[in-house]
Amino acid sequence: KAGVTQTPRYLIKTRGQQVTLSCSPISGHRSVSWYQQTPGQGLQFLFEYFSETQRNKGNFPGRFSGRQFSNSRSEMNVSTLELGDSALYLCASSLGGGPGANVLTFGAGSRLTVL
Amino acid sequence: AQTVTQSQPEMSVQEAETVTLSCTYDTSESDYYLFWYKQPPSRQMILVIRQEAYKQQNATENRFSVNFQKAAKSFSLKISDSQLGDAAMYFCAYKKPGANNLFFGTGTRLTVIP
Repeated sequence: KAGVTQTPRYLIKTRGQQVTLSCSPISGHRSVSWYQQTPGQGLQFLFEYFSETQRNKGNFPGRFSGRQFSNSRSEMNVSTLELGDSALYLCASSLGGGPGANVLTFGAGSRLTVL
Repeated sequence: AQTVTQSQPEMSVQEAETVTLSCTYDTSESDYYLFWYKQPPSRQMILVIRQEAYKQQNATENRFSVNFQKAAKSFSLKISDSQLGDAAMYFCAYKKPGANNLFFGTGTRLTVIP
């Protein structure tokens, strides 16, 4: 079955603009998580959505937001972009319900460059 | 807060040889999950192996195995018969039950020398 699909793969924005990234999870997966990867801070958890509700949130400013649709597809939005927002944004999906390891499957990422 | 430490920023191994990547973590939980993910230059994170803390038996997946020492909070990855395709960044990650957020280490860049 198809994996986790992230679009766009690459994008360039300027400071002050906003950006929306999209993530389509594996069919049947109801949980979508977002991570930011930078050389300085490494991999950091942004937030997780499950059944259209934000279930968990990392330590990021309010400029970072997300949502999930009824088909489990998710978007994340970053407003008022700063140079430090330049990063690889990774999306991961999982079944999400009940106990267990709930292994996360990652997409290929969206590389955002802020000029 | 949970922390995951990978003390080896870079490692290298000769093709066909064995290499061990180190990972330690800090938690007050008794039940949790540990993972090793591989990130090749293509950037896609790929699950290599996982371990449930309540299982004493070390996980293995083909050429990949772990040495899980719960008391020492250590979770090392052994790659046997290293292949050129094993070259990548390797991340150790921790997850609590009931939560879907992973805490990652800083990664170890593995180079495989032909």
